[in-house]
Amino acid sequence: EVQLVESGGGLVQPGGSLRLSCAASGFTFSTSWMVWVRQAPGKGLEWLANIGPGGSVTNFVDSVWGRFSISRDDAENSLYLQMDSLRVEDTAIYYCGRDVDWSTAYWGQGTLVTV
Amino acid sequence: QSALTQPASVSGSPGQSITISCTGTSSDVGFYNYVSWYQQYPGKAPKLMIYGVSKRPSGISNRFSGSKSGNTASLTISGLQAEDEADYYCCSYAGGQLHFVFGTGTKVTVL
Repeated sequence: EVQLVESGGGLVQPGGSLRLSCAASGFTFSTSWMVWVRQAPGKGLEWLANIGPGGSVTNFVDSVWGRFSISRDDAENSLYLQMDSLRVEDTAIYYCGRDVDWSTAYWGQGTLVTV
Repeated sequence: QSALTQPASVSGSPGQSITISCTGTSSDVGFYNYVSWYQQYPGKAPKLMIYGVSKRPSGISNRFSGSKSGNTASLTISGLQAEDEADYYCCSYAGGQLHFVFGTGTKVTVL
């Protein structure tokens, strides 16, 4: 069974940093595209970033470019999102996901970040 | 990259069919057959319902179907049931640096 469990959310001051983690199990993590998606309170979904197998390919939405970075540790089956220079508008639930066939087939339960 | 446009709400009676539209541009929905649809209940994570425009993941009811014409994709729910009341989001690959873009979301109400 595929499981994705996010952690690391919390309350942070504007301008601060936070590192989110996503522990993966139940599938071959090292060969999977992984993604971060967020949802501001009462708002819609926003695609943030993805990372390919091996970690050499990463992509970000313009709104977080230069402030957020995505990485992975295949030995630990873990995905990360480093968030710097946080703004009030970054307040959201952050979901990690596993992409299959150009869609996010599996989702974590999300972790709340409040700036 | 602007969000794809969806109607804010769609409603129907049990047993009826409803269709949710998702309008993009010739650079995303119109160009790529990588449109997916997600169902989300309040306080829960999204769930994949359709991928590749019209494909259903294992376990998804055949009451859910997807299609695309030009720059607009659609999700049809037939035989509407109370459990279908949720928010629905479309998503499309938008090219470039492997960016994806979500729709604005549609709240489905079962009357």
